[in-house]
Amino acid sequence: QVQLQESGPGLVKPSETLSLTCTVSGGSISPYYWSWIRQPPGKGLEWIGYVYYSGTTNYSPSLKSRVTISVDTSKNQFSLRLRSVTAADTAVYYCARDRYYDSNPPLGLDSWGQGTLVTVSS
Amino acid sequence: QSVLTQPPSLSGAPGQRVTISCTGSSSNIGAGFDVQWYQQLPGTVPKLLIYGNINRPSGVPDRFSASKSGTSASLAITGLQGEDEAEYYCRSYDSSLRASIFGGGTKVTVL
Repeated sequence: QVQLQESGPGLVKPSETLSLTCTVSGGSISPYYWSWIRQPPGKGLEWIGYVYYSGTTNYSPSLKSRVTISVDTSKNQFSLRLRSVTAADTAVYYCARDRYYDSNPPLGLDSWGQGTLVTVSS
Repeated sequence: QSVLTQPPSLSGAPGQRVTISCTGSSSNIGAGFDVQWYQQLPGTVPKLLIYGNINRPSGVPDRFSASKSGTSASLAITGLQGEDEAEYYCRSYDSSLRASIFGGGTKVTVL
């Protein structure tokens, strides 16, 4: 069973860039799609975007201007960068394998990391 | 305001049946895009509960069932148990947004 682990700073200052990495173990990052999802404290889930193992990306329209998701197949990792953060970006950030786009019927988010809380504060 | 609308909360006594609705539109569920359901127990990571509108991954009890019709989908829990107390989210794809979308979530309380 594939396992995912998020890593990165737990505290980011307003206006700076949030950077997280998801390391995939127990399986290859190829040939799958990988998504980032976030959940503000006490609120619901929000899909941020995905990266395909080839590097193709797709982002939520509401975050598209500030987000970059990239993949490093040599390290079996993918990463999230969110620029110009504000307190509204405070959330638990999850990485997940996304089988919605490559299976029939679409499987969905079938493996998740444990999540990491990122707080935006000065 | 989520593109997929779910009731914020539902409750039921042990053994009862509860049904959670997920209402979308002609650009997502109504366009034929598949729906998944996720269960998030308190303080834990969301877990895939239903995929492809009606399918349960192995290990998910058959007390959980789902359906889809028109622009809506629903998740039913029959024989409600205390361990089912959780937040439930639907997810689909929206062709206008060209993005994956989640419902706002429904908190199920077992009385």
